[in-house]
Amino acid sequence: DTEVTQTPKHLVMGMTNKKSLKCEQHMGHRAMYWYKQKAKKPPELMFVYSYEKLSINESVPSRFSPECPNSSLLNLHLHALQPEDSALYLCASSQGPPGLRANVLTFGAGSRLTVL
Amino acid sequence: GENVGLHLPTLSVQEGDNSIINCAYSNSASDYFIWYKQESGKGPQFIIDIRSNMDKRQGQRVTVLLNKTVKHLSLQIAATQPGDSAVYFCAEKSGYNKLIFGAGTRLAVHP
Repeated sequence: DTEVTQTPKHLVMGMTNKKSLKCEQHMGHRAMYWYKQKAKKPPELMFVYSYEKLSINESVPSRFSPECPNSSLLNLHLHALQPEDSALYLCASSQGPPGLRANVLTFGAGSRLTVL
Repeated sequence: GENVGLHLPTLSVQEGDNSIINCAYSNSASDYFIWYKQESGKGPQFIIDIRSNMDKRQGQRVTVLLNKTVKHLSLQIAATQPGDSAVYFCAEKSGYNKLIFGAGTRLAVHP
């Protein structure tokens, strides 16, 4: 299995809702990532988990809360979002460090989020 | 809307021609670079990588060139095909477990 699976593919939520995005991989990768991508822009790093511990938080607002229940799963909990948070949220995974191959990310297809 | 006036640079080529996509990176200390391809409705897909101790690397129909002097990366695609139409991003390793993407270039292949 060489895939990263993200659910749901599309999500529409109001500003008072609580929802979650889910990501799963079975490649034995030990690093998992959340990226945010706005239209016609490159992916922007949000969070990195390495060996199930949060290693990077790119100053993301607390209304986004990541969780890594185990080495195969990554969640992004969403609460009190704003319309400007509407974007494509991409999950990725990579081999754990060390080594440069740890930086070769395998991406999922993304969850397209619309905040009303 | 927020994207008014914003657009990706676009490279238009004829099918069968060679394509060259360029990228400038910012960190002279970066030691590893990757090119990704993103098709509509999909996540980015790995194409080819290069370490900073190399200046050229070849794959199947693709070649990456690295010029560290001017912090420039290019992706050459030979005999471009309609299936190559996508947005191409260069990415640089920026610290431990951190991959930062460049702005992207849209490649449009015309029959």
